[in-house]
Amino acid sequence: NAGVTQTPKFQVLKTGQSMTLQCAQDMNHNSMYWYRQDPGMGLRLIYYSASEGTTDKGEVPNGYNVSRLNKREFSLRLESAAPSQTSVYFCASSEYGTDTQYFGPGTRLTVL
Amino acid sequence: SQQGEEDPQALSIQEGENATMNCSYKTSINNLQWYRQNSGRGLVHLILIRSNEREKHSGRLRVTLDTSKKSSSLLITASRAADTASYFCATDAYGNNRLAFGKGNQVVVIP
Repeated sequence: NAGVTQTPKFQVLKTGQSMTLQCAQDMNHNSMYWYRQDPGMGLRLIYYSASEGTTDKGEVPNGYNVSRLNKREFSLRLESAAPSQTSVYFCASSEYGTDTQYFGPGTRLTVL
Repeated sequence: SQQGEEDPQALSIQEGENATMNCSYKTSINNLQWYRQNSGRGLVHLILIRSNEREKHSGRLRVTLDTSKKSSSLLITASRAADTASYFCATDAYGNNRLAFGKGNQVVVIP
């Protein structure tokens, strides 16, 4: 039982490049989330998916898109990376109706 | 906007001492949670306290909630070096299973 997995662990991009961050969970959770964490800050919600087939914007969605591919997988795409998107990205999941979230190990992204 | 905000403390204590950190929030909530983050890792859920509870214990953790003051505290008793981490509070202020996280408190336990 791996919990929440994320790939890649590290990534360096040049301004304007695109990439997709992958997230998968094996806990059969309905809800999934993408956060970013900047130095000295808490986590800010980018997008979330309350259930398979639905996605909604969070606090800081600009510059990102998401896809809930199936119940297990929730990907985050940066279409044209900017230095302001340098951050650590965390994926999380939870069972619908509960507030406890389970986090992946994170992806450390640097945009030059 | 951030709904949960810890006192921005970096706490350094000796092993065996108690560590206390605080969190304040702005809106009404159904529950408040505390998470731990070890360096370079994801967050791990520690404890959840509901709005109708005033105090909750889990092992060496004690959480209090004062809804009249919109604040919570986390106490770690008899700290260990392994407790060195950042601690975040999170509220369900946004609803729909979305959490609002505070900025975190860094705790260093010196062996």
